[in-house]
Amino acid sequence: QKEVEQDPGPLSVPEGAIVSLNCTYSNSAFQYFMWYRQYSRKGPELLMYTYSSGNKEDGRFTAQVDKSSKYISLFIRDSQPSDSATYLCAMSRNSGYALNFGKGTSLLVTP
Amino acid sequence: KAGVTQTPRYLIKTRGQQVTLSCSPISGHRSVSWYQQTPGQGLQFLFEYFSETQRNKGNFPGRFSGRQFSNSRSEMNVSTLELGDSALYLCASSLQQGGETQYFGPGTRLLVL
Repeated sequence: QKEVEQDPGPLSVPEGAIVSLNCTYSNSAFQYFMWYRQYSRKGPELLMYTYSSGNKEDGRFTAQVDKSSKYISLFIRDSQPSDSATYLCAMSRNSGYALNFGKGTSLLVTP
Repeated sequence: KAGVTQTPRYLIKTRGQQVTLSCSPISGHRSVSWYQQTPGQGLQFLFEYFSETQRNKGNFPGRFSGRQFSNSRSEMNVSTLELGDSALYLCASSLQQGGETQYFGPGTRLLVL
């Protein structure tokens, strides 16, 4: 079993919808949580970075971490066709440790 | 500021050959990490270099190796290529060792025939 699990999708939503992307993990030592967006044939791009539990908002994006449930989420409000990409969650134990990635969820936002 | 650059972008090799991939980090970044991305396994950590020293290593065979130069540029080498080595190889740079904010390059797509 991988330490980080993520539903691969694909997830298809109409433009303007609220999108919820999720990851679960098994290692309670993880403290740093990140979301990356990867467009086709591009490298991952860092979207959100959160330390420990709680919420973080940046424009249309909100990241939530629930360490008690070992569950993290990324919400995208007012989704746009340009949001169509693969979203990867990543986490690490501490500074100096490698990132552990989920396999990514493919999102398609249709006009 | 220029982003992370990787060369070459695409590569075709045959089984048994070896390959060297190059990564230039963002100016000022001293840490370079390498990842392998495949549809089946997703992104898997290969190794990280900081100040020319390997600081972390993932669970890959010894055929995968790397190094970092004094200007922080990094190379990774795969010897005795196998079909299963076909993947997108991504390099990421960060300011500090194991930095959480890692910035990725576009990757090198390797096809082993």
